[in-house]
Amino acid sequence: KNEVEQSPQNLTAQEGEFITINCSYSVGISALHWLQQHPGGGIVSLFMLSSGKKKHGRLIATINIQEKHSSLHITASHPRDSAVYICAVEGGAQKLVFGQGTRLTINP
Amino acid sequence: NAGVTQTPKFRILKIGQSMTLQCAQDMNHNYMYWYRQDPGMGLKLIYYSVGAGITDKGEVPNGYNVSRSTTEDFPLRLELAAPSQTSVYFCASSYLQHGEQFFGPGTRLTVL
Repeated sequence: KNEVEQSPQNLTAQEGEFITINCSYSVGISALHWLQQHPGGGIVSLFMLSSGKKKHGRLIATINIQEKHSSLHITASHPRDSAVYICAVEGGAQKLVFGQGTRLTINP
Repeated sequence: NAGVTQTPKFRILKIGQSMTLQCAQDMNHNYMYWYRQDPGMGLKLIYYSVGAGITDKGEVPNGYNVSRSTTEDFPLRLELAAPSQTSVYFCASSYLQHGEQFFGPGTRLTVL
């Protein structure tokens, strides 16, 4: 069993829909990261959180430490949101453990 | 600021050849990382460094070596390339031990 599991693996939606991507992990963590990988391959950090909720524009990330679960929400989705979204957890030392990613496609 | 830069962008190697993947950052970050990303798999940590002169192994270090002689540069050396090292390699850096990581654009390596 992977330490970090994301669901769904693939998600296709229509423009404007509300999107939820889930991340579950099995180890104790100090922080959880959400990353976005563009179709061209570049990776950018979206959020780093250790409790509660963070919001940036149309993106919202939440984490429930007790349930070892995090969600990434996108409101009013747009085709430019099409990307792979990656969850990573930070446990010991300086090491991130990554999920396999969720490929999101938003159709116009 | 250029952020994190990586060279080359693409490379094809023959089995047994060696090469160095270059990584540099201009943000004065102490922490630097090398990851590999295989198709359908999550990124895996190869090596990391917490400062100049200090490096340590990650999850998949076999077949690789690193050095960190300056804060800015963190090259990754492949000795005796094997087809299993075909992957996309990402370098990243962070300011804090537990902080946001900034990624380079990646190097796509094919070993034939």
